[in-house]
Amino acid sequence: DVKVTQSSRYLVKRTGEKVFLECVQDMDHENMFWYRQDPGLGLRLIYFSYDVKMKEKGDIPEGYSVSREKKERFSLILESASTNQTSMYLCASGLATGELFFGEGSRLTVL
Amino acid sequence: QQPVQSPQAVILREGEDAVINCSSSKALYSVHWYRQKHGEAPVFLMILLKGGEQKGHDKISASFNEKKQQSSLYLTASQLSYSGTYFCGTEKVYSGGGADGLTFGKGTHLIIQP
Repeated sequence: DVKVTQSSRYLVKRTGEKVFLECVQDMDHENMFWYRQDPGLGLRLIYFSYDVKMKEKGDIPEGYSVSREKKERFSLILESASTNQTSMYLCASGLATGELFFGEGSRLTVL
Repeated sequence: QQPVQSPQAVILREGEDAVINCSSSKALYSVHWYRQKHGEAPVFLMILLKGGEQKGHDKISASFNEKKQQSSLYLTASQLSYSGTYFCGTEKVYSGGGADGLTFGKGTHLIIQP
């Protein structure tokens, strides 16, 4: 069974804290993606990566950074969390122009 | 830029048909369709790559127009299990060829009533 695992299902952080969201896939996929999902706004692309140590900005990269040191792991970093970053964060992986497999999501609340 | 999905929501009775549309102002490299049930991750339905393409399985099918700017998802004789939020995801075409990260529309909420 294919699997995309996100490290935390629920997180509560304070404004200004540094937040790490981890995502691991076991399918040897080249492509990995981070999205945030908010009611009425759908899934918005934050960052994506087509290879190790490679990253590309998506539609809403401001306030976020990413790291991909190993093929199977893609981390999303909030350097200084703010309340408007309260959201559901979804990680996905896939082959080039193919099906994406999503993780269960990490619901982040910033107080 | 997010593709535009319509309608925002649909309420149907079991056995009725539905069409969900997805459009872009520019030609696309590909269109993906996903369904997400409440509290779950989105699940892949299908991908279309060629202009004029139509594909599907069971009673769910999709088309991609010749100009590759519009796609429609067709759900025929809907079942209760079809309820959920449907998203189209699109990849743009770069002038140098290749594709970009997948960008999703805002979603269409589909409710099937018995």
